[in-house]
Amino acid sequence: AQSVTQPDIHITVSEGASLELRCNYSYGATPYLFWYVQSPGQGLQLLLKYFSGDTLVQGIKGFEAEFKRSQSSFNLRKPSVHWSDAAEYFCAVGAMDSSYKLIFGSGTRLLVRP
Amino acid sequence: EPEVTQTPSHQVTQMGQEVILRCVPISNHLYFYWYRQILGQKVEFLVSFYNNEISEKSEIFDDQFSVERPDGSNFTLKIRSTKLEDSAMYFCASRHSGRNEQFFGPGTRLTVL
Repeated sequence: AQSVTQPDIHITVSEGASLELRCNYSYGATPYLFWYVQSPGQGLQLLLKYFSGDTLVQGIKGFEAEFKRSQSSFNLRKPSVHWSDAAEYFCAVGAMDSSYKLIFGSGTRLLVRP
Repeated sequence: EPEVTQTPSHQVTQMGQEVILRCVPISNHLYFYWYRQILGQKVEFLVSFYNNEISEKSEIFDDQFSVERPDGSNFTLKIRSTKLEDSAMYFCASRHSGRNEQFFGPGTRLTVL
């Protein structure tokens, strides 16, 4: 069955520190992978996506993610976190063999220490 | 930049009442979706819609739920008789036919009392 696991419920980092949010997926075919960010009371904003090609993808707000097929992972990274990055981050896999529905992980809440 | 809009932002209703949540997808998108997020839980797929019919629905999307595209711009989710457990944030999303990513609206928070 298709699934997405985000093992970290909460992560706290200091402003200016680097960040890595983990995401593992289970999907039978080549996955289409996404990271979305949700600020409090807001909707879901697409940060970046991976469909094929270069396994390191760049997104908005200085984020990047690396697809590692051997590890079934798609971890999100940022070299230097800003206080405005505090939010909830969701990894999702797109079920491209059906209606292109998204299957989400349970999310990781990022807290940023001043 | 075009965006998905949803109304109302917050809806409070009594158990057993019908509610209609409204969405205006991005104008040149043809694929539409509803998701929900119960407080503190993950975002869950409800239904996808294309060419005026449901293309896929989840187990959550039972007979109490229906979707409709009543005109060229709106996409609605109706819950016929709300239950307490329907309390959640409901997100609408749309997708262009030539692209794989979905764009989400800001959500409607539904509170069932």
